[in-house]
Amino acid sequence: QKEVEQNSGPLSVPEGAIASLNCTYSDRGSQSFFWYRQYSGKSPELIMFIYSNGDKEDGRFTAQLNKASQYVSLLIRDSQPSDSATYLCAVKPLISNFGNEKLTFGTGTRLTIIP
Amino acid sequence: GAGVSQSPSNKVTEKGKDVELRCDPISGHTALYWYRQRLGQGLEFLIYFQGNSAPDKSGLPSDRFSAERTGESVSTLTIQRTQQEDSAVYLCASSLDGIGVQPDTQYFGPGTRLTVL
Repeated sequence: QKEVEQNSGPLSVPEGAIASLNCTYSDRGSQSFFWYRQYSGKSPELIMFIYSNGDKEDGRFTAQLNKASQYVSLLIRDSQPSDSATYLCAVKPLISNFGNEKLTFGTGTRLTIIP
Repeated sequence: GAGVSQSPSNKVTEKGKDVELRCDPISGHTALYWYRQRLGQGLEFLIYFQGNSAPDKSGLPSDRFSAERTGESVSTLTIQRTQQEDSAVYLCASSLDGIGVQPDTQYFGPGTRLTVL
């Protein structure tokens, strides 16, 4: 089983609709969760992080975390063509000592917003 | 302010040659990370530096790969006797601290695209 799983897509969403991106993780000790956006040929850029159960909103983006279900999602409201990119879910374990600082990434979901 | 920079942006080399990739982290960031991204794949962790020490080298795929960091700044990733399967984008990231319960954001450089012929 992969440590962080995402549906690779492509996910096509009409402009103005809500895009929903999902991620599951296997390590129950994971504490911090990150969503990165990666445009083709570019490096990942952070959109949001979340570490408490529930929802966290930032503009058109909402991250949702359910630790009991080991599930994290990203909602993009009022989707725009510029949101078309690959979205990477990344997970970080509880920091207790050196050696746990790395991010474990999913393979990403390719999102296309259709004008 | 300046972000993470990497050089070269592209590197084409012949199988069996050694290559050296460079990363300049954001000034003041003590944590530095190297990742590899193969075409169409997610990011694969290689190594993490806290200051000049590398507490986690677990992701280095073989002994052909090594990395060092000096002056709590620049890091170099060296791949010896390159193989075609080493072809990938090598991404460097830095963060302020890397330690602690609170999320510590990693900022990525533009990457070095390595092609081994």
